[in-house]
Parts: sequence; C-alpha cells; structure tokens
Amino acid sequence: GENVEQHPSTLSVQEGDSAVIKCTYSDSASNYFPWYKQELGKGPQLIIDIRSNVGEKKDQRIAVTLNKTAKHFSLHITETQPEDSAVYFCAASMENTDKLIFGTGTRLQVFP
Amino acid sequence: GAGVSQSPSNKVTEKGKDVELRCDPISGHTALYWYRQSLGQGLEFLIYFQGNSAPDKSGLPSDRFSAERTGGSVSTLTIQRTQQEDSAVYLCASSLEGGQGREKYFGPGTRLTVT
Repeated sequence: GENVEQHPSTLSVQEGDSAVIKCTYSDSASNYFPWYKQELGKGPQLIIDIRSNVGEKKDQRIAVTLNKTAKHFSLHITETQPEDSAVYFCAASMENTDKLIFGTGTRLQVFP
Repeated sequence: GAGVSQSPSNKVTEKGKDVELRCDPISGHTALYWYRQSLGQGLEFLIYFQGNSAPDKSGLPSDRFSAERTGGSVSTLTIQRTQQEDSAVYLCASSLEGGQGREKYFGPGTRLTVT
C-alpha cells in the first residue's frame, strides 16, 4: 500500500524567513496531495492541495510543488509569521479512493 | 456555522473496558471519516461512511473496533475490551460529499487514554 514519509519532524525558523517541508510517496498511482495544518487542541485544517496534473500551486504565502517522477512534493511557506507555528501534515491518496495516507507531521516553530 | 463536534473531549478508561466515541458532523455533510492519531505519528485512516453505509472500513485495526452511523448524521466509534495500544486521539471528519479532493473538516478529537 501507499506510504508517505515527511521531513523534517521539527523545524524552527525566524519570523520572516521561509520554511520548506518535504514529503515522498511510494505509490505512483497516488494523484492527490493535500496539506493540513494542526494547531494545538484542534483538528487538522486543509491549507492547500495539488493534483498530479500540475507541478505547482500557490495561495498567497503558501505554495506546493510536485515532482511526479521523483514521487515527492513540498510545502513552501514564505515570510513566516508566529501564527504559522503549528504541526503540518502532508497526505496522499489514489484515484477512486477517499482514503488519505498521512505523513508523520512537521512541528514548525516561528520565532519572533 | 457549527463545525464537526466530538464527545467526549477526553476519556480515561481501564484496560478491558468498552468505550464509545461520538461524532456530530457538519449538518448536510454526507461523508464521514474516522482517523486515529497516535503520539508522534500521522493520522491513520480507520473507516469512511457515505450516508449510513461504510464502503471502506479497511483501516479498522481489529474486530474490537466497530463504527456505525445513523440517520446519515451522528456516528459512534466503539472500541471493545480496550488495550493500552488503543490510547490515541480519535479524529472525526466530514465532507459535503464523498470522493477524492472534497475538503474534509476535522473535529477537535477525543483523547483516549487506556490505563
């Protein structure tokens, strides 16, 4: 079955710097890749997603890139702010399934 | 509007006892999902409901775990004869429709501790 690996497990950056989180997946049949942000005491919230027919997607300070050949995708956060501090999860799913396979999460800390 | 709610928020139980966890999805959402989040791990899929049917229950770890959904709304996840390895946060999510790519809205979870 599908397996998703996520790195790093923790990431500390200075406010204003960029943060990059990387994930790799194992099954080439996966074609949908969402990213979730989980704040303390809350459930994960979708922040951006990408399908395998595009290589990059942006939404203000957040962008996701996908390399289908290498089977990896990354989350890029620019101009980080303290409120970006949270745990971020990547996930993958295959066509015709509603099951998301999640990475193990990255705890991002943005220091003022 | 109201989001996904789960109860209880915390549950401590003794090994061997049965527990029931409840999920109230967003009104009108036809799809409902249960995930489990163990310490330091990602979210692990348990089961997916479309209406009252469960087309995918492949993630239930053992026959001690079961779930039902009634009236296309509230869902209950039941764990029988709890074990210490069942300790985790159990998250419920709902989406307007099932299907890949439909945004899933997660509840805050139920933290289960088995002593």
